Amino acid sequence: DSGVTQTPKHLITATGQRVTLRCSPRSGDLSVYWYQQSLDQGLQFLIQYYNGEERAKGNILERFSAQQFPDLHSELNLSSLELGDSALYFCASSVETVDASGNTIYFGEGSWLTVV
Amino acid sequence: GQNIDQPTEMTATEGAIVQINCTYQTSGFNGLFWYQQHAGEAPTFLSYNVLDGLEEKGRFSSFLSRSKGYSYLLLKELQMKDSASYLCAVMDSNYQLIWGAGTKLIIKP
Repeated sequence: DSGVTQTPKHLITATGQRVTLRCSPRSGDLSVYWYQQSLDQGLQFLIQYYNGEERAKGNILERFSAQQFPDLHSELNLSSLELGDSALYFCASSVETVDASGNTIYFGEGSWLTVV
Repeated sequence: GQNIDQPTEMTATEGAIVQINCTYQTSGFNGLFWYQQHAGEAPTFLSYNVLDGLEEKGRFSSFLSRSKGYSYLLLKELQMKDSASYLCAVMDSNYQLIWGAGTKLIIKP
Protein backbone atom coordinates (compact mmCIF):
# COMPACT_ATOMS: atom_id res chain seq x y z
CA ASP A 1 0.00 0.00 0.00
CA SER A 2 1.58 3.25 -1.22
CA GLY A 3 -0.57 5.44 1.01
CA VAL A 4 -2.04 7.26 -2.00
CA THR A 5 -5.77 6.72 -2.34
CA GLN A 6 -7.70 7.14 -5.56
CA THR A 7 -11.42 6.92 -6.20
CA PRO A 8 -13.25 5.59 -8.08
CA LYS A 9 -11.27 2.52 -9.15
CA HIS A 10 -13.39 1.96 -12.22
CA LEU A 11 -15.71 4.27 -14.12
CA ILE A 12 -17.70 3.79 -17.30
CA THR A 13 -19.33 6.80 -18.87
CA ALA A 14 -20.65 8.00 -22.20
CA THR A 15 -19.05 10.37 -24.67
CA GLY A 16 -19.73 14.01 -23.93
CA GLN A 17 -20.06 13.44 -20.21
CA ARG A 18 -17.97 14.85 -17.36
CA VAL A 19 -16.28 12.91 -14.55
CA THR A 20 -14.25 13.76 -11.49
CA LEU A 21 -11.41 11.61 -10.19
CA ARG A 22 -10.30 12.04 -6.62
CA CYS A 23 -6.94 11.56 -4.94
CA SER A 24 -5.69 11.69 -1.37
CA PRO A 25 -1.90 11.91 -1.14
CA ARG A 26 0.31 10.22 1.42
CA SER A 27 0.32 11.88 4.79
CA GLY A 28 2.77 14.76 4.74
CA ASP A 29 3.27 14.90 0.97
CA LEU A 30 2.53 18.34 -0.42
CA SER A 31 2.94 17.50 -4.11
CA VAL A 32 0.29 15.73 -6.15
CA TYR A 33 0.73 14.61 -9.75
CA TRP A 34 -1.76 13.33 -12.29
CA TYR A 35 -0.75 10.97 -15.08
CA GLN A 36 -2.65 9.39 -17.93
CA GLN A 37 -1.75 5.97 -19.31
CA SER A 38 -3.58 4.70 -22.35
CA LEU A 39 -3.44 1.02 -23.28
CA ASP A 40 0.13 -0.11 -23.91
CA GLN A 41 1.38 3.47 -23.68
CA GLY A 42 3.84 5.14 -21.35
CA LEU A 43 2.97 7.47 -18.52
CA GLN A 44 1.86 10.87 -19.76
CA PHE A 45 2.32 13.63 -17.23
CA LEU A 46 -0.75 15.85 -16.99
CA ILE A 47 -0.29 18.28 -14.13
CA GLN A 48 1.36 18.82 -10.75
CA TYR A 49 0.16 20.72 -7.70
CA TYR A 50 2.24 21.72 -4.73
CA ASN A 51 0.52 22.80 -1.54
CA GLY A 52 -2.54 24.00 -3.40
CA GLU A 53 -0.78 25.78 -6.25
CA GLU A 54 -0.25 24.56 -9.77
CA ARG A 55 3.46 23.88 -10.20
CA ALA A 56 3.88 22.23 -13.57
CA LYS A 57 1.73 21.42 -16.54
CA GLY A 58 2.26 18.65 -19.02
CA ASN A 59 0.15 17.41 -21.91
CA ILE A 60 -3.16 18.23 -20.31
CA LEU A 61 -6.05 18.95 -22.63
CA GLU A 62 -8.12 22.10 -22.19
CA ARG A 63 -11.12 19.85 -21.50
CA PHE A 64 -9.31 18.61 -18.39
CA SER A 65 -8.72 20.58 -15.22
CA ALA A 66 -7.47 19.84 -11.75
CA GLN A 67 -7.18 21.43 -8.36
CA GLN A 68 -5.66 20.74 -4.98
CA PHE A 69 -7.64 21.65 -1.90
CA PRO A 70 -6.45 23.00 1.47
CA ASP A 71 -6.52 19.50 2.95
CA LEU A 72 -4.17 18.53 0.05
CA HIS A 73 -6.51 16.14 -1.66
CA SER A 74 -6.80 16.68 -5.39
CA GLU A 75 -9.43 16.26 -8.07
CA LEU A 76 -9.03 15.80 -11.80
CA ASN A 77 -12.04 16.89 -13.83
CA LEU A 78 -12.49 15.48 -17.32
CA SER A 79 -15.22 17.00 -19.46
CA SER A 80 -16.69 16.54 -22.93
CA LEU A 81 -15.29 13.06 -22.82
CA GLU A 82 -14.21 11.33 -26.01
CA LEU A 83 -13.52 7.67 -26.72
CA GLY A 84 -9.79 8.42 -26.76
CA ASP A 85 -9.90 9.57 -23.16
CA SER A 86 -10.34 5.97 -22.06
CA ALA A 87 -7.25 5.27 -19.98
CA LEU A 88 -5.85 4.53 -16.58
CA TYR A 89 -5.41 7.75 -14.62
CA PHE A 90 -2.81 7.70 -11.89
CA CYS A 91 -2.42 10.10 -9.05
CA ALA A 92 0.93 10.22 -7.29
CA SER A 93 2.34 12.14 -4.39
CA SER A 94 5.93 13.09 -3.85
CA VAL A 95 8.44 13.94 -1.18
CA GLU A 96 10.01 16.44 -3.61
CA THR A 97 13.48 14.99 -3.12
CA VAL A 98 14.14 11.38 -2.19
CA ASP A 99 13.31 9.47 0.98
CA ALA A 100 15.39 6.96 2.90
CA SER A 101 14.64 4.24 0.36
CA GLY A 102 15.76 6.45 -2.53
CA ASN A 103 12.23 6.81 -3.85
CA THR A 104 10.68 10.13 -4.73
CA ILE A 105 7.15 9.41 -5.90
CA TYR A 106 4.36 7.11 -4.78
CA PHE A 107 1.48 6.10 -6.99
CA GLY A 108 -2.11 5.33 -6.24
CA GLU A 109 -3.69 2.26 -7.79
CA GLY A 110 -5.24 4.31 -10.53
CA SER A 111 -8.72 5.00 -11.82
CA TRP A 112 -9.78 3.08 -14.89
CA LEU A 113 -11.92 5.28 -17.12
CA THR A 114 -13.83 3.74 -19.99
CA VAL A 115 -15.70 6.08 -22.32
CA VAL A 116 -18.33 4.37 -24.46
CA GLY B 1 13.99 19.64 -25.15
CA GLN B 2 14.12 16.92 -22.57
CA ASN B 3 14.23 13.35 -23.76
CA ILE B 4 14.55 9.86 -22.35
CA ASP B 5 15.02 6.86 -24.64
CA GLN B 6 14.46 3.22 -23.82
CA PRO B 7 13.87 0.23 -26.07
CA THR B 8 10.19 -0.41 -26.58
CA GLU B 9 10.27 -4.15 -25.98
CA MET B 10 12.73 -6.87 -25.03
CA THR B 11 12.44 -10.63 -24.75
CA ALA B 12 14.50 -12.86 -22.48
CA THR B 13 14.48 -16.40 -21.17
CA GLU B 14 13.65 -17.50 -17.66
CA GLY B 15 16.83 -17.87 -15.61
CA ALA B 16 18.86 -15.63 -17.90
CA ILE B 17 20.16 -12.06 -17.53
CA VAL B 18 18.81 -9.00 -19.31
CA GLN B 19 20.04 -5.41 -19.50
CA ILE B 20 17.62 -2.59 -20.18
CA ASN B 21 19.26 0.62 -21.35
CA CYS B 22 18.16 4.20 -20.83
CA THR B 23 19.71 7.32 -22.33
CA TYR B 24 18.67 10.79 -21.33
CA GLN B 25 19.03 14.46 -22.20
CA THR B 26 17.56 16.69 -19.53
CA SER B 27 17.85 20.19 -18.13
CA GLY B 28 20.05 19.35 -15.19
CA PHE B 29 20.20 16.12 -13.25
CA ASN B 30 19.14 15.24 -9.74
CA GLY B 31 18.98 11.50 -10.02
CA LEU B 32 17.74 8.64 -12.14
CA PHE B 33 15.04 6.22 -11.09
CA TRP B 34 13.86 2.84 -12.30
CA TYR B 35 10.31 1.64 -11.73
CA GLN B 36 8.59 -1.64 -12.49
CA GLN B 37 5.03 -1.65 -13.73
CA HIS B 38 2.92 -4.74 -14.19
CA ALA B 39 0.07 -4.37 -16.64
CA GLY B 40 -2.83 -2.47 -15.15
CA GLU B 41 -0.99 -1.72 -11.93
CA ALA B 42 0.83 1.26 -10.46
CA PRO B 43 4.56 1.68 -11.00
CA THR B 44 6.68 0.53 -8.07
CA PHE B 45 10.12 1.83 -7.16
CA LEU B 46 13.17 -0.29 -7.98
CA SER B 47 16.27 1.88 -7.75
CA TYR B 48 17.80 5.33 -7.54
CA ASN B 49 21.18 6.46 -8.87
CA VAL B 50 22.61 9.92 -8.43
CA LEU B 51 26.34 9.13 -8.53
CA ASP B 52 28.19 7.22 -11.23
CA GLY B 53 28.51 3.53 -10.72
CA LEU B 54 26.59 0.39 -9.99
CA GLU B 55 23.94 -0.04 -7.29
CA GLU B 56 23.06 -3.64 -6.51
CA LYS B 57 19.83 -4.76 -4.89
CA GLY B 58 19.37 -8.49 -4.91
CA ARG B 59 18.67 -9.72 -8.43
CA PHE B 60 18.41 -6.16 -9.73
CA SER B 61 21.28 -3.74 -10.33
CA SER B 62 21.29 -0.25 -11.80
CA PHE B 63 24.21 1.58 -13.38
CA LEU B 64 24.69 5.26 -14.09
CA SER B 65 27.14 7.25 -16.17
CA ARG B 66 26.32 10.95 -15.88
CA SER B 67 28.93 12.00 -18.44
CA LYS B 68 27.32 9.74 -21.04
CA GLY B 69 23.73 10.41 -20.01
CA TYR B 70 23.28 6.66 -19.72
CA SER B 71 21.88 4.13 -17.32
CA TYR B 72 20.98 0.48 -17.41
CA LEU B 73 18.93 -1.86 -15.29
CA LEU B 74 20.32 -5.37 -15.02
CA LEU B 75 18.01 -8.19 -14.05
CA LYS B 76 19.57 -11.53 -13.13
CA GLU B 77 18.08 -15.01 -12.70
CA LEU B 78 14.97 -13.92 -14.51
CA GLN B 79 11.64 -15.19 -13.23
CA MET B 80 8.31 -15.23 -15.01
CA LYS B 81 7.04 -12.62 -12.55
CA ASP B 82 9.64 -10.19 -13.92
CA SER B 83 7.50 -9.83 -17.05
CA ALA B 84 6.52 -6.18 -16.78
CA SER B 85 7.32 -2.75 -18.12
CA TYR B 86 10.39 -1.02 -16.76
CA LEU B 87 10.29 2.76 -16.60
CA CYS B 88 13.33 5.02 -16.50
CA ALA B 89 12.81 8.50 -15.04
CA VAL B 90 15.18 11.41 -14.50
CA MET B 91 14.75 14.22 -12.00
CA ASP B 92 15.78 17.46 -13.66
CA SER B 93 17.20 20.64 -12.16
CA ASN B 94 13.69 21.77 -11.12
CA TYR B 95 13.11 18.45 -9.35
CA GLN B 96 10.60 17.46 -12.03
CA LEU B 97 10.45 13.82 -13.05
CA ILE B 98 10.88 13.20 -16.76
CA TRP B 99 9.64 9.74 -17.79
CA GLY B 100 10.74 7.40 -20.51
CA ALA B 101 8.02 5.51 -22.38
CA GLY B 102 9.02 2.26 -20.70
CA THR B 103 10.45 -1.05 -21.88
CA LYS B 104 8.11 -4.02 -22.01
CA LEU B 105 10.03 -7.09 -20.90
CA ILE B 106 8.69 -10.46 -21.99
CA ILE B 107 10.05 -13.53 -20.21
CA LYS B 108 9.79 -16.88 -22.00
CA PRO B 109 10.10 -20.26 -20.29
